[in-house]
Amino acid sequence: DAGVTQSPTHLIKTRGQQVTLRCSPKSGHDTVSWYQQALGQGPQFIFQYYEEEERQRGNFPDRFSGHQFPNYSSELNVNALLLGDSALYLCASSPPGIGEGQYFGPGTRLTVT
Amino acid sequence: RKEVEQDPGPFNVPEGATVAFNCTYSNSASQSFFWYRQDCRKEPKLLMSVYSSGNEDGRFTAQLNRASQYISLLIRDSKLSDSATYLCVVRDSNYQLIWGAGTKLIIKP
Repeated sequence: DAGVTQSPTHLIKTRGQQVTLRCSPKSGHDTVSWYQQALGQGPQFIFQYYEEEERQRGNFPDRFSGHQFPNYSSELNVNALLLGDSALYLCASSPPGIGEGQYFGPGTRLTVT
Repeated sequence: RKEVEQDPGPFNVPEGATVAFNCTYSNSASQSFFWYRQDCRKEPKLLMSVYSSGNEDGRFTAQLNRASQYISLLIRDSKLSDSATYLCVVRDSNYQLIWGAGTKLIIKP
């Protein structure tokens, strides 16, 4: 049983460019959340997708957008990249039920130069 | 005040000792609680959920105190492999997970 997978693992972009990160949830999971984690900090919630809709959003600008597909996989898009967007981007999936924890993928390390 | 607060540490503990972490949360309507561990430059991994009655998994014990709005994690007979950052996570009534910044634990031989 594959866990949460993310692609790519590493990415280098320049300021102003756009990036798309991808995530496939763990089998049986229907909810996908995206997080940004800077070095030495806890993950910061970007948004969560359930039934192909954005269910909840954190304090991130509209440059950050996402999508969930019928097979529950998801994409995170970031437009007009800033140097401060450099971070580890984590995708987490969770099964039905609000009492369940989330399971993380290995993350995509984005560097903006 | 942060929504979820943890002592950043680091906690330097000799192998075999018992170590305890506390975490406080500000939203009394919080519904679910979790502890995650994160190794350096790796993703967080779910360690255990925290239930109202308290729960134990081997050397790990988690407890919840709703009245005082804190959760705790106790690690007994600590191993070198327990060295990591331990993150406290609280789910609010809108399904959102709120993360603490983590407590770094270093187990010394």
